[in-house]
Amino acid sequence: GAVVSQHPSRVICKSGTSVKIECRSLDFQATTMFWYRQFPKQSLMLMATSNEGSKATYEQGVEKDKFLINHASLTLSTLTVTSAHPEDSSFYICSAPSGVLAKNIQYFGAGTRLSVL
Amino acid sequence: GENVEQHPSTLSVQEGDSAVIKCTYSDSASNYFPWYKQELGKGPQLIIDIRSNVGEKKDQRIAVTLNKTAKHFSLHITETQPEDSAVYFCAAKASGGSNYKLTFGKGTLLTVNP
Repeated sequence: GAVVSQHPSRVICKSGTSVKIECRSLDFQATTMFWYRQFPKQSLMLMATSNEGSKATYEQGVEKDKFLINHASLTLSTLTVTSAHPEDSSFYICSAPSGVLAKNIQYFGAGTRLSVL
Repeated sequence: GENVEQHPSTLSVQEGDSAVIKCTYSDSASNYFPWYKQELGKGPQLIIDIRSNVGEKKDQRIAVTLNKTAKHFSLHITETQPEDSAVYFCAAKASGGSNYKLTFGKGTLLTVNP
């Protein structure tokens, strides 16, 4: 199947700093990518839809100024957690659909464990 | 919007036994139902999927069944092995529109005891 690469896999930062997470589709182009957040022992919560060349679409309750998304190319989307605080500590996962809309399959990155001290 | 219910939340079986996880969905427009396996600290991996034009799909020890009338689908794992231990998520996607959004169930923690 298609490969989605996510980097870094783990990051520890001090409160108040910003953290950037990258999501790349390695062998296919993705005009859309998704960013999820997952708390321990819980399901994936969709945060936003990243759209190449246009603004991201955020889910209700997600602060767009807190979680900045940039989809600058057909293979790269970035999520920046700005002024991170301990409550932002979580597992962040990206995904990208491969294939035409009717037949697409979503592939996930390996996730990024963010720990804010 | 779509709502996906998944049961059970935890499932413990003996190695070699079968495991069944069930999901129901609410949106009759949904036409794509993938299953993902997530190991601890890793991203979800697609293990099998089914589209609404078929009722069953099988891949070695894994099978998925779909009942469109009842709006439920199930994952069946036969001859379970310890390496099958993980969290399994079902999901549903509606047809139409320009989005690829998946709605996930809450997950099932499967433990296969040697």
